[in-house]
Amino acid sequence: SAVISQKPSRDICQRGTSLTIQCQVDSQVTMMFWYRQQPGQSLTLIATANQGSEATYESGFVIDKFPISRPNLTFSTLTVSNMSPEDSSIYLCSVNPGQGQNIQYFGAGTRLSVL
Amino acid sequence: QKEVEQNSGPLSVPEGAIASLNCTYSDRGSQSFFWYRQYSGKSPELIMSIYSNGDKEDGRFTAQLNKASQYVSLLIRDSQPSDSATYLCAVWASKIIFGSGTRLSIRP
Repeated sequence: SAVISQKPSRDICQRGTSLTIQCQVDSQVTMMFWYRQQPGQSLTLIATANQGSEATYESGFVIDKFPISRPNLTFSTLTVSNMSPEDSSIYLCSVNPGQGQNIQYFGAGTRLSVL
Repeated sequence: QKEVEQNSGPLSVPEGAIASLNCTYSDRGSQSFFWYRQYSGKSPELIMSIYSNGDKEDGRFTAQLNKASQYVSLLIRDSQPSDSATYLCAVWASKIIFGSGTRLSIRP
């Protein structure tokens, strides 16, 4: 498995501001992912964070709104830009440690409320 | 569109009974199958993985896979109140796809 540290754990932000969420893993991992989970809903993949190159975004998510950095194999950030109340959600970092089993582990999540 | 389908529940099971959670998937090329447990306000936690047809047991949990029927299930024996959570089925075929989850409630 992998130990994933995500911070902040929660935040309350004003409309129009930006928040950067950090994800740190205790070992080098090839694949890191960012998900959003709105209240009562399942997980929605925002993007795959690629080390050394631009993130791969899913349909409906764009880099201007959710810029992602992946400077090395243990760290990534997700920024939620120009926030609106509709961005209130839980944001989750996830990693696939490799080893051929396609398993993903999750960080504890960031609970974001936008006023 | 690759899909993973689950009954949203809630599924109510008496304490000590067997809880049966089901999931179907659309992509026949799927290779890996997972069950995650998510408590309210917490992140998903992997509880079972299964890769080949048949049953896989781990403590009170048994995962069952039938690739011909594109069906995967999770059985929880001797259900406890602490098993009350949402259970997410996930299927990997080039990327992982999550179902919408089944809410399980264990009643004393």
